[in-house]
Amino acid sequence: GESVGLHLPTLSVQEGDNSIINCAYSNSASDYFIWYKQESGKGPQFIIDIRSNMDKRQGQRVTVLLNKTVKHLSLQIAATQPGDSAVYFCAENLDYKLSFGAGTTVTVRA
Amino acid sequence: GEEVAQTPKHLVRGEGQKAKLYCAPIKGHSYVFWYQQVLKNEFKFLISFQNENVFDETGMPKERFSAKCLPNSPCSLEIQATKLEDSAVYFCASSRSFSNEKLFFGSGTQLSVL
Repeated sequence: GESVGLHLPTLSVQEGDNSIINCAYSNSASDYFIWYKQESGKGPQFIIDIRSNMDKRQGQRVTVLLNKTVKHLSLQIAATQPGDSAVYFCAENLDYKLSFGAGTTVTVRA
Repeated sequence: GEEVAQTPKHLVRGEGQKAKLYCAPIKGHSYVFWYQQVLKNEFKFLISFQNENVFDETGMPKERFSAKCLPNSPCSLEIQATKLEDSAVYFCASSRSFSNEKLFFGSGTQLSVL
């Protein structure tokens, strides 16, 4: 599978491989985190969320990992499909609003 | 409604003209947020509402931007005397609560200032 250790703005992945998208958040007091997917011309679409009292949460083909020690969040996508091509944003809940990180553009190669 | 509805989808204004964007939150959601996204990059928070009350407006450029959420009306974001740098996609989002709750986003309004 394809993975990145640090946040990179783009990720190219072979169809069927696993993807890992990384995100560093800013504030150790943040207690809630979300991953959003944004397709071209659309608004952000909710993928998965996690609260700070957890370190892992699984959904359908997606897993979010939270490492509070280093303030790091990751999104794993299993068996990446062409429909997964999009920009992915992580967001942290801080001061009663979501603060977004820089996005990662995922391109799925056939 | 079941989704956040934003109108118009596209808006073109000459520099100095007024722009007004509308947002109908999901029925039953009391909290509304406006974000600005420039060139598909990060989302900049502008303002949030709890029903018709402004909760946080720390992201609003005070001189030219204003927003309202009145009862029984769509929420609105208005920009007086638009500038070139106001060109962006403006997203509205709603949620049931402020904390530990995902936001549901509309499709956005693409504002182009010429």
